[in-house]
Amino acid sequence: GQQLNQSPQSMFIQEGEDVSMNCTSSSIFNTWLWYKQDPGEGPVLLIALYKAGELTSNGRLTAQFGITRKDSFLNISASIPSDVGIYFCAGPPNTDKLIFGTGTRLQVFP
Amino acid sequence: ETGVTQTPRHLVMGMTNKKSLKCEQHLGHNAMYWYKQSAKKPLELMFVYNFKEQTENNSVPSRFSPECPNSSHLFLHLHTLQPEDSALYLCASSLDRANQPQHFGDGTRLSIL
Repeated sequence: GQQLNQSPQSMFIQEGEDVSMNCTSSSIFNTWLWYKQDPGEGPVLLIALYKAGELTSNGRLTAQFGITRKDSFLNISASIPSDVGIYFCAGPPNTDKLIFGTGTRLQVFP
Repeated sequence: ETGVTQTPRHLVMGMTNKKSLKCEQHLGHNAMYWYKQSAKKPLELMFVYNFKEQTENNSVPSRFSPECPNSSHLFLHLHTLQPEDSALYLCASSLDRANQPQHFGDGTRLSIL
């Protein structure tokens, strides 16, 4: 089945550093979504992107919809301990479903 | 508070038991979903309901039986499960189509003995 490839799989960074992660698809998407999942909780929507080239921010988070429509990027600036969690990208291959990436696990050390 | 509430949060059951998971959304959405989340695997879509009608069954074994009595409530009935069914089961909802942003509950952590 279709997959979304997320990289890196995990990151270990120091508080205050910037973080970048990306997601690629084998086919074109019309929407890209980024979620964060904290331990013991469900994924929470961070940013939704609807247009190729779109750059959208949510506080210290910025996400971009790639020009090819086959990729998306998420950046976190000046990381803090509460940024710890798993970040998932998601996109709809059709109108009937979303598919999710395998996630990027972020650890932030003080 | 995401507006999607799942109960119970944790469930331990034997392979011969019958139990049900419940999901309720307070967002006024018309589409609801069940997902399975296993360690080191992407989220797997199980079922899609749109305006109470099932529109997707992603080749889920019949030991999982969904029920959607109205647009706000979704159940997952479980019977004769296998140990490999142990996972986090997540419910989500969206306005009216699956390709829209979905809002998730906190899940039910299911363990099969």
